[in-house]
Amino acid sequence: GAGVSQSPSNKVTEKGKDVELRCDPISGHTALYWYRQRLGQGLEFLIYFQGNSAPDKSGLPSDRFSAERTGESVSTLTIQRTQQEDSAVYLCASSLGGPGLAGNDNEQFFGPGTRLTVL
Amino acid sequence: AQSVSQHNHHVILSEAASLELGCNYSYGGTVNLFWYVQYPGQHLQLLLKYFSGDPLVKGIKGFEAEFIKSKFSFNLRKPSVQWSDTAEYFCAVNGGYQKVTFGTGTKLQVIP
Repeated sequence: GAGVSQSPSNKVTEKGKDVELRCDPISGHTALYWYRQRLGQGLEFLIYFQGNSAPDKSGLPSDRFSAERTGESVSTLTIQRTQQEDSAVYLCASSLGGPGLAGNDNEQFFGPGTRLTVL
Repeated sequence: AQSVSQHNHHVILSEAASLELGCNYSYGGTVNLFWYVQYPGQHLQLLLKYFSGDPLVKGIKGFEAEFIKSKFSFNLRKPSVQWSDTAEYFCAVNGGYQKVTFGTGTKLQVIP
């Protein structure tokens, strides 16, 4: 595809429900990141996948948050028992390679985000 | 561990004014440095990047940034801003084999 795509673009849910957000990275990109951007705030790192390595989950705010990635393709971010403070834009980015690689390999390409509203 | 600081959270300038946004990082080794921009209603995109070589990096739309290793800085500059530069700007760094870390962002508002 031409770029990183995310779905849905908007999601409104009720407190306590589970939601699943999807990210389709650029084909061939081995690294995939999830970020959260609350209104008026900066990027908050959530989780990072690099090839077949164990994901870096150090940014997940609670055990209600989890993410999976199928090989080097689609990733889903799941939020269980959503809370109002989970309301934010969830951004996905992919890069050709992971950290430490020279050249352009770790330039991140961002998707349009999923705006999550928890009522 | 690496970190990034963007000291200016909100900057307001008139058109044609010069811009400099500060970015400082902490990491002792070799780093890759980035500036990303998010225009209103659009998604994040790369403005410029530094990996090695000339520490003065030129990006799109007349922006440039200078890597000063001794100061651990990578400030973004533009000699004359336009209204269309109104956006949020994020500095990012990755050192060694660490993941990319983003700063908290600087909102730039350019008044016509």
